[in-house]
Amino acid sequence: DAGITQSPRYKITETGRQVTLMCHQTWSHSYMFWYRQDLGHGLRLIYYSAAADITDKGEVPDGYVVSRSKTENFPLTLESATRSQTSVYFCASRRSGAQPQHFGDGTRLSIL
Amino acid sequence: SQELEQSPQSLIVQEGKNLTINCTSSKTLYGLYWYKQKYGEGLIFLMMLQKGGEEKSHEKITAKLDEKKQQSSLHITASQPSHAGIYLCGADVETSGSRLTFGEGTQLTVNP
Repeated sequence: DAGITQSPRYKITETGRQVTLMCHQTWSHSYMFWYRQDLGHGLRLIYYSAAADITDKGEVPDGYVVSRSKTENFPLTLESATRSQTSVYFCASRRSGAQPQHFGDGTRLSIL
Repeated sequence: SQELEQSPQSLIVQEGKNLTINCTSSKTLYGLYWYKQKYGEGLIFLMMLQKGGEEKSHEKITAKLDEKKQQSSLHITASQPSHAGIYLCGADVETSGSRLTFGEGTQLTVNP
């Protein structure tokens, strides 16, 4: 069955490095989302996209960059990683409003 | 304060017991979604509720939506160790419907 895949599953990097997390969905869903999940904060929305070439900020966008040149891909880039960006990152997609979001398996990112 | 409050934050029950998790919104609900997450994994979609009074069941899990109270409940009957995990509610609280707001989750432990 098609779905939503994130890569890599695990990543360790150093402060100041650039790192890109990939997200790919095969449903042709219009909406895509990036969240981070941290203890005590739950899921926080970083960026989202309503369609190709349309992106918007969520609650915690600082330090992150996104792009969406194709409907199926929504990469998230940390331009200069900081320790506070150590987290589990989830990508999700949604066909439209009034439909559930479907989540990838997550990327566990550690910044040393 | 949180737009979506879940209670309790954590719950420990004996196998075979019934339990209820609540999700209360401070804003009008346009749709309510329940998810389950196992440690280290992504969120799995369980059920979607859209109309006041709506009730849905899947195996031993039942979810209800009380639109007037802006609240949803998730009830598990005769709990099993396989029910253990984190349960999150997500809601459409904006008419645009593109983004979901999430509660912080309820950690459920089921002891054999």
